[in-house]
Amino acid sequence: DTAVSQTPKYLVTQMGNDKSIKCEQNLGHDTMYWYKQDSKKFLKIMFSYNNKELIINETVPNRFSPKSPDKAHLNLHINSLELGDSAVYFCASSQDPAGPHGNTIYFGEGSWLTVV
Amino acid sequence: SQKIEQNSEALNIQEGKTATLTCNYTNYSPAYLQWYRQDPGRGPVFLLLIRENEKEKRKERLKVTFDTTLKQSLFHITASQPADSATYLCALNRRGGGNKLTFGTGTQLKVEL
Repeated sequence: DTAVSQTPKYLVTQMGNDKSIKCEQNLGHDTMYWYKQDSKKFLKIMFSYNNKELIINETVPNRFSPKSPDKAHLNLHINSLELGDSAVYFCASSQDPAGPHGNTIYFGEGSWLTVV
Repeated sequence: SQKIEQNSEALNIQEGKTATLTCNYTNYSPAYLQWYRQDPGRGPVFLLLIRENEKEKRKERLKVTFDTTLKQSLFHITASQPADSATYLCALNRRGGGNKLTFGTGTQLKVEL
């Protein structure tokens, strides 16, 4: 059973388009994330939601908008795509960071976005 | 500024040897530190977590040390195998940082026969 699943895995689109990446977790976690990994493999947090509430919003262009319909889902919408948005986007989830496991992150397999 | 540094050069070792990877940080007061493994085309996978009041943690062939004075963590894989070849990421959660986990850039390990 996939713990954190995201779709699509690959996405090639033209500049200026709007696209969405969907994410679902079946771990019962309250916290979900979006991370971006660039061409140099640097993994950086974009957003974090706890029980549908936005709690971390790093310096991300407002063309990126997360939406959490319930605590098991966190989708990422990207408007007016730019070449520089090409990257791998990882959805992830975790339990309460104050718990015994800290905020051990469970990642999805990634969505490869290429903007041409 | 806050930094988490890992050796950007790939580490090549022979099968059976112990691999040691380094994670150094500056301007952080981490509550705990984690190590993840990432294979090509896959998401990172959690390996070990060590808290600020712990010196060492072990799990099978893996060992992590945490020196908050040196601001350094070492990650050891004993009796390394080709299947251990991957990129290893360290990540910090600072005290009072909630659930924000900040990752280092990772070190690629290659275990050769």
